[in-house]
Amino acid sequence: EIVLTQSPGTLSVSPGERATLSCRASQSVRSNYLAWYQQKPGQAPRLLISGASSRATGIPDRFSGSGSGTDFTLTISRLEPEDFAVYYCQQYGASYSFGQGTKLEIK
Amino acid sequence: QVQLVQSGGGVVQPGRSLRLSCAASGFSFSTYAMHWVRQAPGKGLEWLSLISYDGINKYYADSVRGRFTISRDNSRNTVHLQMNTLRAEDTAVYYCASPAGGSYYSGFDYWGQGALVTVSS
Repeated sequence: EIVLTQSPGTLSVSPGERATLSCRASQSVRSNYLAWYQQKPGQAPRLLISGASSRATGIPDRFSGSGSGTDFTLTISRLEPEDFAVYYCQQYGASYSFGQGTKLEIK
Repeated sequence: QVQLVQSGGGVVQPGRSLRLSCAASGFSFSTYAMHWVRQAPGKGLEWLSLISYDGINKYYADSVRGRFTISRDNSRNTVHLQMNTLRAEDTAVYYCASPAGGSYYSGFDYWGQGALVTVSS
């Protein structure tokens, strides 16, 4: 099983600033089959990025994904008030697994 | 538009069974693999199970293998999760989810609204 470790656990950033979230895999993720999700309280997760760097339909371009192998990053370039949420990475190259999440909070 | 509408959650005693359902619309359900994912209170996401488009291939997380069974009815555009021998640690919100393009190798782009399952005596 591929274990995904996200860091930091909580990230405090001011609106308008940049946020950088990390996801590290215990082994290489096949074909960069890595997704990022946003989840707000009481809601289902929302797909942001798949294939490590491809934005899902309707996702603003301030969200970008990068990385390969075992190290992946989600960057939110200019934080809007609605971006404060919990973010999860997921690998789908060898079965399926999620990271434990990063909570992005307002500083 | 794509919709996944879930039903079947509730409170159940330890050791008993419960079946969750997820009715799909707005896409070609019979050509899509489907997943179940759960989230314990205050915790992260846990993938549970996958069923192929035709219902032949089924895969499970170790935590539920042998207790949970995924199935689908393509004539009714519905996927089910039969949960047996429930434990307190199965208490969670359960989501059905469809992968983008229906493939095994895709992120999950549509999710049901979630169904709360509480296992308690």
